[in-house]
Amino acid sequence: QVQLQQWDAGLLKPSETLSLACGVYGGSFNNHFWSWIRQPPGKGLEWIGQINHSGSAKYNPSLQSRVTISVDTSKSQFSLKLASVSAADTAVYYCARSSRYSFAYYFDNWGPGSLVTVSS
Amino acid sequence: DIQMTQSPSSVSASIGDRVTISCRASQGINTWLAWYQQKPGKAPEFLIYAGSRLQSGVPTRFSGSGSGTDFTLTITNVQPEDYATYFCQQADSLPPTFGQGTKLEI
Repeated sequence: QVQLQQWDAGLLKPSETLSLACGVYGGSFNNHFWSWIRQPPGKGLEWIGQINHSGSAKYNPSLQSRVTISVDTSKSQFSLKLASVSAADTAVYYCARSSRYSFAYYFDNWGPGSLVTVSS
Repeated sequence: DIQMTQSPSSVSASIGDRVTISCRASQGINTWLAWYQQKPGKAPEFLIYAGSRLQSGVPTRFSGSGSGTDFTLTITNVQPEDYATYFCQQADSLPPTFGQGTKLEI
């Protein structure tokens, strides 16, 4: 059973860069996509972007100018950087695995979430 | 982006009731739809994919239906552990997008 572990980012000031990492334990790193998804307090879910084991990344156009997702297959980890944060970026950030089921990819395993607060 | 709209935003039910939650896509997505359950302070859990297929281990009181733009999640015989927020998500095209959620309350 795969488990995803996240490391907290905590409190950031406006204009700083958010950095999060997610470790993958107990499963194959290949044959999946690895995503970051965020959820502002009391609100819905927003997909940030994804990466595969070879480093091919895709991003949500709404955040593309500020987002970088990278992968380190030797450590079975992937990471998120979000530049120039503002209060609007305050959210719980989840890492998630997406797997292929019946011709499409769905988020079948999620990390526990990391609360990131942006405040001066 | 494909917009996903859920209704209602909240629903009240008693133990043993049958509950239906609707999800509408802004354009046709075939059956490429998932449902997730989220409890307070926890990550979402994957319930249903391809509109109607139960993920392994999900109780059979959960069922999904629909295709194209209109989808439904049904919970028959609601149990105490089902009180949570439910999200739909389209997997037809990037970026994947989610509904705003439906909270199932006592």
